[in-house]
Amino acid sequence: AQSVTQPDIHITVSEGASLELRCNYSYGATPYLFWYVQSPGQGLQLLLKYFSGDTLVQGIKGFEAEFKRSQSSFNLRKPSVHWSDAAEYFCAVVSRSNDYKLSFGAGTTVTVRA
Amino acid sequence: GAGVSQSPSNKVTEKGKDVELRCDPISGHTALYWYRQSLGQGLEFLIYFQGNSAPDKSGLPSDRFSAERTGGSVSTLTIQRTQQEDSAVYLCASRTPSGGAYNEQFFGPGTRLTVL
Repeated sequence: AQSVTQPDIHITVSEGASLELRCNYSYGATPYLFWYVQSPGQGLQLLLKYFSGDTLVQGIKGFEAEFKRSQSSFNLRKPSVHWSDAAEYFCAVVSRSNDYKLSFGAGTTVTVRA
Repeated sequence: GAGVSQSPSNKVTEKGKDVELRCDPISGHTALYWYRQSLGQGLEFLIYFQGNSAPDKSGLPSDRFSAERTGGSVSTLTIQRTQQEDSAVYLCASRTPSGGAYNEQFFGPGTRLTVL
């Protein structure tokens, strides 16, 4: 069955430290891949997306993600976290053969400590 | 410009009552989605509208759920005879019609539904 897994439910990181959020997918073929962020009381905002080409994708707010086909992973990273990065992060995929339904992971909540 | 708006922002209802949730997409966005975000369960696709095509209702959890889109713009999600397990945040998203998944879905702030 097709699925998106975010293994970490909650991550706590110190301000200024690096952050990596994991995402693994199980699909018949490489899907389109996305990362969204949901800040408290806010709607979902797209951070970045991967369709093809360069496997290292740059997004907004200083985030980047790396697609690794061999590991079926699309992990999100940020070199130095700011307090405003405290939020919930969702990995999402769309099948290339059915390119309108987003399937989301369960989300990872990030807490930033001073 | 204006983003996706949803109303009400919060809705508390009693079990067995019907509720209507409204979504106003971004002007010109002919594709519209409804998702449900339950505690600890991530986001779940409910229904998809694209222009005048028949909607994809494959994600609706039961026949108590229905949605319509009038005039290709505003959408209403209706839940009849609400149950406590319907308590969740209901999110609406819209995008431009061309390019499929290449086009970003823009999400509204959601409606938090609580069924007592």
